[in-house]
Amino acid sequence: GAVVSQHPSRVICKSGTSVKIECRSLDFQATTMFWYRQFPKQSLMLMATSNEGSKATYEQGVEKDKFLINHASLTLSTLTVTSAHPEDSSFYICSARSRGLAADTQYFGPGTRLTVL
Amino acid sequence: KNEVEQSPQNLTAQEGEFITINCSYSVGISALHWLQQHPGGGIVSLFMLSSGKKKHGRLIATINIQEKHSSLHITASHPRDSAVYICAAPNYGGSQGNLIFGKGTKLSVKP
Repeated sequence: GAVVSQHPSRVICKSGTSVKIECRSLDFQATTMFWYRQFPKQSLMLMATSNEGSKATYEQGVEKDKFLINHASLTLSTLTVTSAHPEDSSFYICSARSRGLAADTQYFGPGTRLTVL
Repeated sequence: KNEVEQSPQNLTAQEGEFITINCSYSVGISALHWLQQHPGGGIVSLFMLSSGKKKHGRLIATINIQEKHSSLHITASHPRDSAVYICAAPNYGGSQGNLIFGKGTKLSVKP
């Protein structure tokens, strides 16, 4: 099946620094990628949707200037958490969908655990 | 917006037991996802199914589209099956078909 990777799997950073998380589709072209966030003991929640070559669409309450998303190619999307704060500590997961597949078809990355000190 | 409910929230079983986790949703869909999340947080996609039944090893997923219900079964459960199991359904009307996730079922299998 289709494989989606994320890098890094874990990252610890100091407050005020920026962190970049990569999401790659390894064996298919991902025209749409979704970024989700999961706080402890809570469900995954959609942060933003990105389409290759266009600006990301952010969900209500997600600051677009803080969570920068770039989907510059059909196999790579990046999420940059700028000026990270401890409350940004969370589990970030991406999923990817290929053109032509049903809207329900998504392949998940393994996630990235961000800890901001 | 689709509402996704899972039950039970927590489940403890003895090794070897047959496990069932249930998922119901409010809006008709064409496919549903079952995911496994390990204690370290990593997500593994188990199934994406649109009808009937799928089997992978000791895992079986079934879906009844008319009743808007899916079940995940684990046969001959093992301690390594201990994880959080999450079902997810499309959020029609949301951002280009993103998913709505259940709160998860935390499974602990005791040796």
